[in-house]
Amino acid sequence: AQSVTQLDSQVPVFEEAPVELRCNYSSSVSVYLFWYVQYPNQGLQLLLKYLSGSTLVKGINGFEAEFNKSQTSFHLRKPSVHISDTAEYFCAVRGTRPLVFGKGTRLSVIA
Amino acid sequence: DVKVTQSSRYLVKRTGEKVFLECVQDMDHENMFWYRQDPGLGLRLIYFSYDVKMKEKGDIPEGYSVSREKKERFSLILESASTNQTSMYLCASSWDYRTDTQYFGPGTRLTVL
Repeated sequence: AQSVTQLDSQVPVFEEAPVELRCNYSSSVSVYLFWYVQYPNQGLQLLLKYLSGSTLVKGINGFEAEFNKSQTSFHLRKPSVHISDTAEYFCAVRGTRPLVFGKGTRLSVIA
Repeated sequence: DVKVTQSSRYLVKRTGEKVFLECVQDMDHENMFWYRQDPGLGLRLIYFSYDVKMKEKGDIPEGYSVSREKKERFSLILESASTNQTSMYLCASSWDYRTDTQYFGPGTRLTVL
């Protein structure tokens, strides 16, 4: 079975500052990793995913994540955030079971 | 454009009622999923289906059942609604079971009184 831990439930950050949202996973098999974003009153949409190959994955809206197998992490980063990035972000892992989601990190961008 | 629609955005029901939540996708996807989303708990998988007429229990199936008579439609059924089933319900679909993006509907906020 697989599991996901998002290390921060809330992250406040000033506009144009960098941000990192942390995600650690646990699995006994190889995994696929995903980050989803949920804007207020909407469903989730995919930001990026790691299936294989390069460990640095680029996604939409300037986000990127790095897969680190030795640290079992898949942290999400953005060098400069905008007000419109205010949302909830979910890390998810696919191993032997269907997607397992973390509990979410609420990113609040402050003007 | 990809689309997953859910029958209601908001729903209020009484304890003991039978509740149907419907989800339709227009992408010819094989796989469909039902999640519930609660603050501080993230998304938890209730049921999923990887083919018409096929269904599998997720992590929290108790109190729920599902129906998938047609490929594009996946229904979640609460046989006898209870107050602890008050939640946001999200439907999703995908093409490839393992690697593909899941596309989500906007959600149904269900309140059971």
